[in-house]
Amino acid sequence: SQTIHQWPATLVQPVGSPLSLECTVEGTSNPNLYWYRQAAGRGLQLLFYSVGIGQISSEVPQNLSASRPQDRQFILSSKKLLLSDSGFYLCAWRFKGGGYEQYFGPGTRLTVT
Amino acid sequence: SQQGEEDPQALSIQEGENATMNCSYKTSINNLQWYRQNSGRGLVHLILIRSNEREKHSGRLRVTLDTSKKSSSLLITASRAADTASYFCATERITGGGNKLTFGTGTQLKVEL
Repeated sequence: SQTIHQWPATLVQPVGSPLSLECTVEGTSNPNLYWYRQAAGRGLQLLFYSVGIGQISSEVPQNLSASRPQDRQFILSSKKLLLSDSGFYLCAWRFKGGGYEQYFGPGTRLTVT
Repeated sequence: SQQGEEDPQALSIQEGENATMNCSYKTSINNLQWYRQNSGRGLVHLILIRSNEREKHSGRLRVTLDTSKKSSSLLITASRAADTASYFCATERITGGGNKLTFGTGTQLKVEL
């Protein structure tokens, strides 16, 4: 069966510090991968998605970047965090093709102070 | 921007009652999906309804889809305290790469004993 891991679970970082959140998927190959951010009490905003190694599509211009160095690894980064980067970050994967659900990781709660 | 809008934003019912949540969207879709999120956790897929389907059942869940009105509803019958969570609709559009989902703003359901 497939599993998705995210770490860390919580993170408190000062403004201006770098960020690296990691997401890995087990039990499948060549998945589509997604990064979302969720503000408190709000819906999910798609940040990045990837259909393959090194292929990253950005949905919203911002202070963040993403990379996919391996088939089942997706990394969210920032060189300098802003207060507005605080939120709940979720990674998800799905099989390629239409009509499939997404499977979400447990999320990372990021607080920028 | 969020394509889906859920209604109501919050719903409080007694255990045993039925809960109905509605979702409206703006563009043509491949399918519509409902997800559940417990506080501080990742999302869990509940049910997927394709654009050529009008109604679908899964256990205590019943989903309807009206593509002419661009709306969907999720009915949870005989609710339990454990159903307390936020519920999100998500649409997969016909065009666009990466099989992206656009999430609504969510309905917070509270089921009281």
